[in-house]
Amino acid sequence: EAGVVQSPRYKIIEKKQPVAFWCNPISGHNTLYWYRQNLGQGPELLIRYENEEAVDDSQLPKDRFSAERLKGVDSTLKIQPAELGDSAVYLCASSKRSPGGASGRAGETQYFGPGTRLLVL
Amino acid sequence: AQSVAQPEDQVNVAEGNPLTVKCTYSVSGNPYLFWYVQYPNRGLQFLLKYITGDNLVKGSYGFEAEFNKSQTSFHLKKPSALVSDSALYFCAVREPTSGGYNKLIFGAGTRLAVHP
Repeated sequence: EAGVVQSPRYKIIEKKQPVAFWCNPISGHNTLYWYRQNLGQGPELLIRYENEEAVDDSQLPKDRFSAERLKGVDSTLKIQPAELGDSAVYLCASSKRSPGGASGRAGETQYFGPGTRLLVL
Repeated sequence: AQSVAQPEDQVNVAEGNPLTVKCTYSVSGNPYLFWYVQYPNRGLQFLLKYITGDNLVKGSYGFEAEFNKSQTSFHLKKPSALVSDSALYFCAVREPTSGGYNKLIFGAGTRLAVHP
């Protein structure tokens, strides 16, 4: 079974330029997550999708960040314009919806892709 | 709000010796706890999780973790460390959100260095 696929793996851009990251989750996984991992820190959730619906985007800086998952499969995260502080690793993860309501979903395992390392100069 | 703490930035251990990577948590309600490992230039790999049941959870690559409710800890352990275990380890707790959906709250990570 193929894992979560992300591209590109590395991106270097100048500040104020746009950038986009792509993620293809594990086949059959309904839930897709975008995380940002700053140097020396754990990942922090940016946005979560249930199929094509964004259900938690409270941490997404909406003035410059946008995301979409139009057909409920792959997803794109965009930054426009990028700032120096956006340099980080952007991780995509997916999980398969578990039965059993909230407690069942609490046990879901998230599987991560290799990430995109962004450097803004 | 849920949180996890990894009190050690780095753990050093000799190959063949047992290793422990510490994690403490703070939750309201039932704890759902996870351990992930991150190798250089790679994403996070799932090791194990505690949902309910036995306090000793066995996971991938010979790792196990002990859930201790009274000490609010979920330490990661391995009886005999390998040089290839050297990596960054993250503890995480599930935070329930509205609608029953959940997100993971990660600790800052602990770098494990296993010396030959």
